[in-house]
Amino acid sequence: DAKTTQPPSMDCAEGRAANLPCNHSTISGNEYVYWYRQIHSQGPQYIIHGLKNNETNEMASLIITEDRKSSTLILPHATLRDTAVYYCIVRVVGANSKLTFGKGITLSVRP
Amino acid sequence: KAGVTQTPRYLIKTRGQQVTLSCSPISGHRSVSWYQQTPGQGLQFLFEYFSETQRNKGNFPGRFSGRQFSNSRSEMNVSTLELGDSALYLCASSLGGLENEQYFGPGTRLTVT
Repeated sequence: DAKTTQPPSMDCAEGRAANLPCNHSTISGNEYVYWYRQIHSQGPQYIIHGLKNNETNEMASLIITEDRKSSTLILPHATLRDTAVYYCIVRVVGANSKLTFGKGITLSVRP
Repeated sequence: KAGVTQTPRYLIKTRGQQVTLSCSPISGHRSVSWYQQTPGQGLQFLFEYFSETQRNKGNFPGRFSGRQFSNSRSEMNVSTLELGDSALYLCASSLGGLENEQYFGPGTRLTVT
């Protein structure tokens, strides 16, 4: 699976959009981008995944660049409960490849 | 629908002992995966079971083993515990396998003294 690079931390104000970047310059054509998050002392939670088109669900939006070498997870209206470590993971779907978690990015939402 | 449950939530063991952790997946999910999380190494994949068979394995020593029962419940066993085995052990279930969205349990916090 391709490696991902995320900044170690970022913060945003409550109610504002949080834009979390992820670089995956070695991504291959059959690899998807997944995002999970882990709130302190809980198990990771799936957020969203995509291949090349932008995706949106009730939690977030995923914007993948045209060359697929980077992506951005957008939390449209961040709340204090969104404070967590966010993991960007690249993996092949359908090949039973395991989830390889990096260090993630710690998002702190301030009041 | 009930989420993934793990028991016990907290456990303290002594070096050299063995421990068994339990995971009950979401109803209907046939795949169960186990992960170890430590401050130093982060989240690391241990193994995955599907229909009572181990399908994928991470890079952990043979002291770490698991099994899955016909009702999809899974157990993980660690023998001859070492201090470095102190960690949060997370279980995740999914409908088909690792390619599907995985739902994680709250974890078991194991402390080895």
